[in-house]
Amino acid sequence: DQQVKQNSPSLSVQEGRISILNCDYTNSMFDYFLWYKKYPAEGPTFLISISSIKDKNEDGRFTVFLNKSAKHLSLHIVPSQPGDSAVYFCAASTSFQKLVFGTGTRLLVSP
Amino acid sequence: DAGVIQSPRHEVTEMGQEVTLRCKPISGHDYLFWYRQTMMRGLELLIYFNNNVPIDDSGMPEDRFSAKMPNASFSTLKIQPSEPRDSAVYFCASTVRGVGYTFGSGTRLTVV
Repeated sequence: DQQVKQNSPSLSVQEGRISILNCDYTNSMFDYFLWYKKYPAEGPTFLISISSIKDKNEDGRFTVFLNKSAKHLSLHIVPSQPGDSAVYFCAASTSFQKLVFGTGTRLLVSP
Repeated sequence: DAGVIQSPRHEVTEMGQEVTLRCKPISGHDYLFWYRQTMMRGLELLIYFNNNVPIDDSGMPEDRFSAKMPNASFSTLKIQPSEPRDSAVYFCASTVRGVGYTFGSGTRLTVV
């Protein structure tokens, strides 16, 4: 039972354009959402998070949007850079307990 | 701080052999997690500890898997006997109060 779903296994974007990565969840008890980035042969690293009391959180080129009614969140990267090419994992938790991760989306940003 | 340290980085073993993966969390972190990454299931939580005590092992696939945390600076994940379907990348992560996980670089396990 996949509580956190990333339905797009891959995404290709040109440098300078916007990258939009999507994530859906099924558990309405989730109250904290995160995005992690993973390069090959490395562990995932924290990118940005959002609490369920907010609908948007911005950090530089990265913005996460949360739509609780649709149980959907998205990560926007503007402008995209080749160094952003990585696998992005969406994750969710309830009251800072264990994180449940999605299957990941591989982003390729071409020059 | 050296971060979360996992060993070995790569492990190749024959089916039926015992495999032990090791993790040293960040000093002062009170939560430790073991995850497994596969193409089909992404990052899958196997077990986690709080203050060295196992809290939730519902993700451990079967009795062949076991994990221990004898002290705050060391944890092991053991597979006995190993099977080809156990081939994956295993990650350890630690955190304080369950917020802001720091992951190790992972152990790539191949069972032939």
